[in-house]
Amino acid sequence: SQQGEEDPQALSIQEGENATMNCSYKTSINNLQWYRQNSGRGLVHLILIRSNEREKHSGRLRVTLDTSKKSSSLLITASRAADTASYFCATDKGNKLVFGAGTILRVKS
Amino acid sequence: EPEVTQTPSHQVTQMGQEVILRCVPISNHLYFYWYRQILGQKVEFLVSFYNNEISEKSEIFDDQFSVERPDGSNFTLKIRSTKLEDSAMYFCASSIQAREQYFGPGTRLTVT
Repeated sequence: SQQGEEDPQALSIQEGENATMNCSYKTSINNLQWYRQNSGRGLVHLILIRSNEREKHSGRLRVTLDTSKKSSSLLITASRAADTASYFCATDKGNKLVFGAGTILRVKS
Repeated sequence: EPEVTQTPSHQVTQMGQEVILRCVPISNHLYFYWYRQILGQKVEFLVSFYNNEISEKSEIFDDQFSVERPDGSNFTLKIRSTKLEDSAMYFCASSIQAREQYFGPGTRLTVT
């Protein structure tokens, strides 16, 4: 089954605007994680939210989790050109992470 | 800040050749992983390793693949006889518990 599917596939915004990306998953989870990937580079861990948490903040990032809807959202506030990257949610499944296809975020300056 | 490192950053090899991709996980981490990302596709799990043995592997991780932790610091992925479809970015990751995983910058493998 597909886990961690993000939408939108691509998002283009102006610097200073907020960006919201969504993730849906199908099976129960222990936690959900968000990662960023700059073009051709490695994955950078952004934030982990546990299944018993509903919201978590880290700097300009805000993550929500709704286990009843099996969905999560990542909000980046006051976006900057440097936020341009792909963003992936990942759910844990045993000893592995299962990644979605990601959202490509472009922040125009 | 400690980080996962990988070498080489780019490896070009001919079909049928053996390649070894190297990773140095974060020093106090206990869980180690390999993932791959074919260009334009999702990041896919290959294998997890804990306590000197494979704890889980995917369907992709067939007999052509093997992993090893030859000493206290390195973690390697060997592909015995590369195929064109093995061309991808290969990411190593490590974690202290089986939760947040920290990824290396990746090795781009090109099989010609």
